[in-house]
Amino acid sequence: LAKTTQPISMDSYEGQEVNITCSHNNIATNDYITWYQQFPSQGPRFIIQGYKTKVTNEVASLFIPADRKSSTLSLPRVSLSDTAVYYCLVGDYGSVSGTYKYIFGTGTRLKVLA
Amino acid sequence: SQTIHQWPATLVQPVGSPLSLECTVEGTSNPNLYWYRQAAGRGLQLLFYSVGIGQISSEVPQNLSASRPQDRQFILSSKKLLLSDSGFYLCAWSVVETQYFGPGTRLLVL
Repeated sequence: LAKTTQPISMDSYEGQEVNITCSHNNIATNDYITWYQQFPSQGPRFIIQGYKTKVTNEVASLFIPADRKSSTLSLPRVSLSDTAVYYCLVGDYGSVSGTYKYIFGTGTRLKVLA
Repeated sequence: SQTIHQWPATLVQPVGSPLSLECTVEGTSNPNLYWYRQAAGRGLQLLFYSVGIGQISSEVPQNLSASRPQDRQFILSSKKLLLSDSGFYLCAWSVVETQYFGPGTRLLVL
């Protein structure tokens, strides 16, 4: 299964743009890259997903270089409420299982300061 | 829209007691269903997944089991809880590659 590596923690200030980079050197051809946000005692919340190049939605952007061995989640103008753990995942599609399985690492703890 | 429910939200159980956690999904058909466990300060560990009624795959050997009696119902069980079963249990569903998580159940085994 593909694994990911991301920084353990990051600090930022309100109003700044935050970029969290994730490396996934063993990503497979069929794998998607997905980012989740998790607050304490809550289930992870889907943020964004991409396969290649750039994806943007109302909350974030995801940048994926051509070799797909890394990806960067960009959060524009963070606020205090963005303090959370952010997980980068690479899906491993099993042709036998018929489903995607993810390995969750420890994620990146983002702390937004006033 | 799709909704995923888990109950109970919090559970305190003595060692050796049985366990039953339930997860239901609304607004979708034939989803893939997943059970994860999260220890304090750690990432999520996949325990079981199911691609259809009665089809269960186990990822980690343990004293837990899972069942899927209906298309949108996923149950996590144990006959005898251990202290090490304490944690935050999360159910998730997917149709293709994106998984959506429920609110979770906090289990404390004493």
